[in-house]
Amino acid sequence: EDQVTQSPEALRLQEGESSSLNCSYTVSGLRGLFWYRQDPGKGPEFLFTLYSAGEEKEKERLKATLTKKESFLHITAPKPEDSATYLCAVLTGGGNKLTFGTGTQLKVEL
Amino acid sequence: DTAVSQTPKYLVTQMGNDKSIKCEQNLGHDTMYWYKQDSKKFLKIMFSYNNKELIINETVPNRFSPKSPDKAHLNLHINSLELGDSAVYFCASNNLAGIYNEQFFGPGTRLTVL
Repeated sequence: EDQVTQSPEALRLQEGESSSLNCSYTVSGLRGLFWYRQDPGKGPEFLFTLYSAGEEKEKERLKATLTKKESFLHITAPKPEDSATYLCAVLTGGGNKLTFGTGTQLKVEL
Repeated sequence: DTAVSQTPKYLVTQMGNDKSIKCEQNLGHDTMYWYKQDSKKFLKIMFSYNNKELIINETVPNRFSPKSPDKAHLNLHINSLELGDSAVYFCASNNLAGIYNEQFFGPGTRLTVL
C-alpha cells in the first residue's frame, strides 16, 4: 500500500528564517508528487507537481525538489502569510488516486 | 467565478439521519472526487467519477452513496449518520488524462453528527 510521511508535524519559524519540510514516500509506480497549501477552513490549494527525480520547481519563496524516495519543500525567508498546513500527495495507479500525507503545520511569526 | 463549489458549507445533524452534500465544478473537467478529512487533518479519498462512471471506490461504508448526474456534478448521500462520520468533506475535480493532473478542491463541507 502507498505510504506518505511528512515531517515535522508542526514547525514554528521566525520571519526570514528559512527551513525545509520533508515528504517521504513508499509507492509502486509514482506518476507524480504534489504539494498543496491548506489554510484553516479552506480547501487545499495546488502549489506544485513534480514528475521525476531531480526535478525542481519554484514559486515566490517556495521551492520543491524530488528524489526517488522523498520531496522537500524549501521555504526561503518566510513571511507570516506563509503560515498554513502544507500537504504532499503522491499520484499512483491509473485512476488519478492521490494519497496524502498528514501535513506539516507551519507558523511564521514576526 | 467559483471553480469547485459545495453546499452546504456546514451541516449539523442527529445520529441516524440521512443527509446529502452537493458539489459542482465549472472548470470543464471530466473527473470528480470526494475526500474525507478527519480531525487530525488527514485527507483520504473516498470516491471518484469519470464522465459519470465510478472509477475509484475506496473502503467506505455502503451508507455512503455518490451520485453523478452529469460531468459537472457529484453529490454524496449519507444514510444513517454515525458519530464517526463527523469530518470535513471535500470535493475535487480534474481531467483524468490531462498533462497537468492537479486536482482542484472545493471549500469543504463540515459535517457534525450529534
